[in-house]
Amino acid sequence: AQKITQTQPGMFVQEKEAVTLDCTYDTSDQSYGLFWYKQPSSGEMIFLIYQGSYDEQNATEGRYSLNFQKARKSANLVISASQLGDSAMYFCAMRLSGSARQLTFGSGTQLTVLP
Amino acid sequence: EPEVTQTPSHQVTQMGQEVILRCVPISNHLYFYWYRQILGQKVEFLVSFYNNEISEKSEIFDDQFSVERPDGSNFTLKIRSTKLEDSAMYFCASSDPVLTTDTQYFGPGTRLTVL
Repeated sequence: AQKITQTQPGMFVQEKEAVTLDCTYDTSDQSYGLFWYKQPSSGEMIFLIYQGSYDEQNATEGRYSLNFQKARKSANLVISASQLGDSAMYFCAMRLSGSARQLTFGSGTQLTVLP
Repeated sequence: EPEVTQTPSHQVTQMGQEVILRCVPISNHLYFYWYRQILGQKVEFLVSFYNNEISEKSEIFDDQFSVERPDGSNFTLKIRSTKLEDSAMYFCASSDPVLTTDTQYFGPGTRLTVL
């Protein structure tokens, strides 16, 4: 069974600085997708970025980038130029390819951006 | 931009009562999902639905749960006889498997409180 580990329950970053949120995963499958979601205090789950296991380039979406190291089974989220609105819970999730479409989530990292 | 909607945003019920949580997935999506998040914990998969039948379900999704697509737009989760431990945020999500990423987009959630 697949597993996602986020070892940082809480992180602090100064406004305008970059921050890296860690995510490691465990699967024996070769084909999978990795996702990051943001959950503000209002509760909704907002999709941020996707990385496929066969993608050769690290994914980027605006200020978000994914540092994908397949051999280490890590998919860290990098947020550049942090803003106060980035304060939220961040979840890493994985989906295997094929018929099993469920997302397996990590326990999340609470990010606080300091002014 | 199309989005997943959920009603109600909050639901309070007495233990043993039936509740129906409603979702309108993104219109051209084909897969629909329910997840739940107990307060302060990780997001857990409940069930996925495709072509008018359950595609996968987790151990959590026991006989007290059911899902239905009663018409062309709504997707519902019914909990027959609620228990205190069913108190959680329930998220509906949908995805388009034609897309390479097959990203699951989440609704804003329904917070269910069982008294």
